[in-house]
Amino acid sequence: AQSVSQHNHHVILSEAASLELGCNYSYGGTVNLFWYVQYPGQHLQLLLKYFSGDPLVKGIKGFEAEFIKSKFSFNLRKPSVQWSDTAEYFCAVNAGSARQLTFGSGTQLTVLP
Amino acid sequence: NAGVMQNPRHLVRRRGQEARLRCSPVKGHSHVYWYRQLPEEGLKFMVYLQKENIIDESGMPKERFSAEFPKEGPSILRIQQVVRGDSAAYFCASSPPTGASYGYTFGSGTRLTVV
Repeated sequence: AQSVSQHNHHVILSEAASLELGCNYSYGGTVNLFWYVQYPGQHLQLLLKYFSGDPLVKGIKGFEAEFIKSKFSFNLRKPSVQWSDTAEYFCAVNAGSARQLTFGSGTQLTVLP
Repeated sequence: NAGVMQNPRHLVRRRGQEARLRCSPVKGHSHVYWYRQLPEEGLKFMVYLQKENIIDESGMPKERFSAEFPKEGPSILRIQQVVRGDSAAYFCASSPPTGASYGYTFGSGTRLTVV
């Protein structure tokens, strides 16, 4: 069964700092990869997804992620964070024939004004 | 507007009572997924249903938990004889018949507290 690891449980940054959140998955076959964001008390929103093609994926709100197959990684990046980016971020994978998603444990991002 | 409607948003139950969580999928979506989020943890898959069929319940606890998605009406996640460990946020997602990953939409969740 696949698993997803997010290395950082809590990240604190100042506004305008650059962000990189790590995500590694374990599955040897074809995968679809996702990053979701959850603002306090709200539903999960899709930031970006990778199915195939260009391994550098651009999403909403200035986020991007790079799929590195050799490292089984799909790290999320943003060059300059804003206070409004404070939220919890989840990496997820959909692998093989499964339709459900496997989530990482999440990273809480706090951006200080 | 998430499109997937879950109710109630908050539910408090005493130990031993039953909890019923409802999920109305996006119009036109025939696939429903239930996930549980325990404190300080990510979302864990519980069950995947189509109309009138359970497709994959590999993440469901063996006892006390059941789910249905009838031909008419919302999907229901039912927890019988709740215990404190059932306290969590329960999220529902829906997708269209083809390409689940392409069209996943999450609801705002039901936060269950067992006292």
